[in-house]
Amino acid sequence: DQQVKQNSPSLSVQEGRISILNCDYTNSMFDYFLWYKKYPAEGPTFLISISSIKDKNEDGRFTVFLNKSAKHLSLHIVPSQPGDSAVYFCAAMERYRGSTLGRLYFGRGTQLTVWP
Amino acid sequence: DAGVTQSPTHLIKTRGQQVTLRCSPISGHKSVSWYQQVLGQGPQFIFQYYEKEERGRGNFPDRFSARQFPNYSSELNVNALLLGDSALYLCASSPLPGLSTDTQYFGPGTRLTVL
Repeated sequence: DQQVKQNSPSLSVQEGRISILNCDYTNSMFDYFLWYKKYPAEGPTFLISISSIKDKNEDGRFTVFLNKSAKHLSLHIVPSQPGDSAVYFCAAMERYRGSTLGRLYFGRGTQLTVWP
Repeated sequence: DAGVTQSPTHLIKTRGQQVTLRCSPISGHKSVSWYQQVLGQGPQFIFQYYEKEERGRGNFPDRFSARQFPNYSSELNVNALLLGDSALYLCASSPLPGLSTDTQYFGPGTRLTVL
């Protein structure tokens, strides 16, 4: 059962424009969300995260928005650059009360292509 | 500072064999997690270790086992390999799991091919 869903397997955007990657989740106990970028033959690279107590977090060109009522988050990249072309994974964490377990649940990823 | 390192980079085994994958976390990180990524899917959680103790296990058979050493490095063992075990195995480290801002940092992975 896929608890984190990325329904768009691919996205193509022109350089300089905004890229918007979407992610939905089903588990209301998730309270920490992360975006990773992955190039071929490399491990996922951490991009940006957001706690469930916030609805927006910004880091340079990257902004993540969280809508808890809709169980939806999105990653905005402005402006998009050709070097941003990669697979983007959305991940969510459920931190059990009184536990030190931090297990990540991943979506299937969205291939972003930024063309000149 | 060095990131998460994994060895070997690539591995080819035949069905029924056993394999050991190794991971060294970022200096100062005490928690190591293992994930399996098959083609076209996101990474799937296998294990998390903290202070040499197993803190969590995903939905994987008992053929999968792991351990963490006093220096916080970790090994993942898979016995009786099946064709379906072919995947990229990722190791991630974090300073202290369960923190409100626990971010896991991934290594480059070990590509396992089972023939």
